[in-house]
Amino acid sequence: KNEVEQSPQNLTAQEGEFITINCSYSVGISALHWLQQHPGGGIVSLFMLSSGKKKHGRLIATINIQEKHSSLHITASHPRDSAVYICAVLSNSGNTPLVFGKGTRLSVIA
Amino acid sequence: GAGVSQSPRYKVAKRGQDVALRCDPISGHVSLFWYQQALGQGPEFLTYFQNEAQLDKSGLPSDRFFAERPEGSVSTLKIQRTQQEDSAVYLCASSPRQGFGYGYTFGSGTRLTVV
Repeated sequence: KNEVEQSPQNLTAQEGEFITINCSYSVGISALHWLQQHPGGGIVSLFMLSSGKKKHGRLIATINIQEKHSSLHITASHPRDSAVYICAVLSNSGNTPLVFGKGTRLSVIA
Repeated sequence: GAGVSQSPRYKVAKRGQDVALRCDPISGHVSLFWYQQALGQGPEFLTYFQNEAQLDKSGLPSDRFFAERPEGSVSTLKIQRTQQEDSAVYLCASSPRQGFGYGYTFGSGTRLTVV
């Protein structure tokens, strides 16, 4: 079983819809990252969080440490939000690299 | 520079050919990471540099893979005798602080196709 599982794998939404992408992990963590990857390959860091909730524009990220679960929400989705969204966790067991999920491919249709 | 720069953006190599992929991190960033991302997968860790020291190379898949950062800035990932399974996007990231636990800036990646 992967340490980081994302759902759904693929998501198609109509412009304006509220979108939720989920991330579950199996290890104790010190931080969780949400990242956005566009078709050209480059990755942009959206959030790094270890508790609670963070908001940036139309993006909201939440984390529940006890349940080992995080969600990324996009409000009022737009075609330019189309990308792959990746969850990555940093284990609290020592100086170890980020472990990435496989990503959720989002397509927002006008 | 303003961001992490990787070159080339795309590389097609014949099986058995050697390739070199370059990463130019943000100036002054201490940490530099290489990741390999196969099609449809998340990035997987290859190696980590703190300045010029390669502190972790546990993710390098075979001895055909070699990375260096001789002056603590630009890094090169070299793959010898490329195989088809080496086809992937190779991502570089840098961070202003030591260790794995801080914000990263990623480059746009090099897409390697081995034919």
